[in-house]
Amino acid sequence: AQSVTQLDSHVSVSEGTPVLLRCNYSSSYSPSLFWYVQHPNKGLQLLLKYTSAATLVKGINGFEAEFKKSETSFHLTKPSAHMSDAAEYFCVVSADFYNNNDMRFGAGTRLTVKP
Amino acid sequence: DGGITQSPKYLFRKEGQNVTLSCEQNLNHDAMYWYRQDPGQGLRLIYYSQIVNDFQKGDIAEGYSVSREKKESFPLTVTSAQKNPTAFYLCASSAMTGRTFFGQGTRLTVV
Repeated sequence: AQSVTQLDSHVSVSEGTPVLLRCNYSSSYSPSLFWYVQHPNKGLQLLLKYTSAATLVKGINGFEAEFKKSETSFHLTKPSAHMSDAAEYFCVVSADFYNNNDMRFGAGTRLTVKP
Repeated sequence: DGGITQSPKYLFRKEGQNVTLSCEQNLNHDAMYWYRQDPGQGLRLIYYSQIVNDFQKGDIAEGYSVSREKKESFPLTVTSAQKNPTAFYLCASSAMTGRTFFGQGTRLTVV
């Protein structure tokens, strides 16, 4: 069984300041982990993925995430927020990246960016 | 309990047949989406609908069709024109300014 918990339902930052969106996971297997972003009225877009290669994963738009097995975490960060980053972000865990019958989505974190 | 229901969880289809995947939501959401996941890739958008009787193609709509006759329902038909239909399919819905909810997915296998 596996699950994912996004620790904050809403995060608000000022433009130009760092972003931290927190995600903890639970998995019986070596998990695959993803971060997706959804802008208003758009579909999901994959930001980055971890599939047991390097623990620090770089994604699109300046985002990155670090897989920490000891802490069962996969937090998403960005050094400097941009207004266009305002969206909803989902952390996802899957037991098997190549056979995703058991994907689990976090509840989402809404990121607000203030001017 | 409010949520999204996809059925069935596993589906097998013979080559050359059309098959329809069900997605129902009781969340009163306007927007609904269909995604596909293949090995080694993230989710890709097939179709989405923001209102009843209207829908738009996503990134990989070829070989698929949808309908949105009711707000609660957004079925996806995988037609025989889809060259590689074996995949995991995920349905989602969202209110225009609210959270997105996801179904549990359907794994389609062509035999």
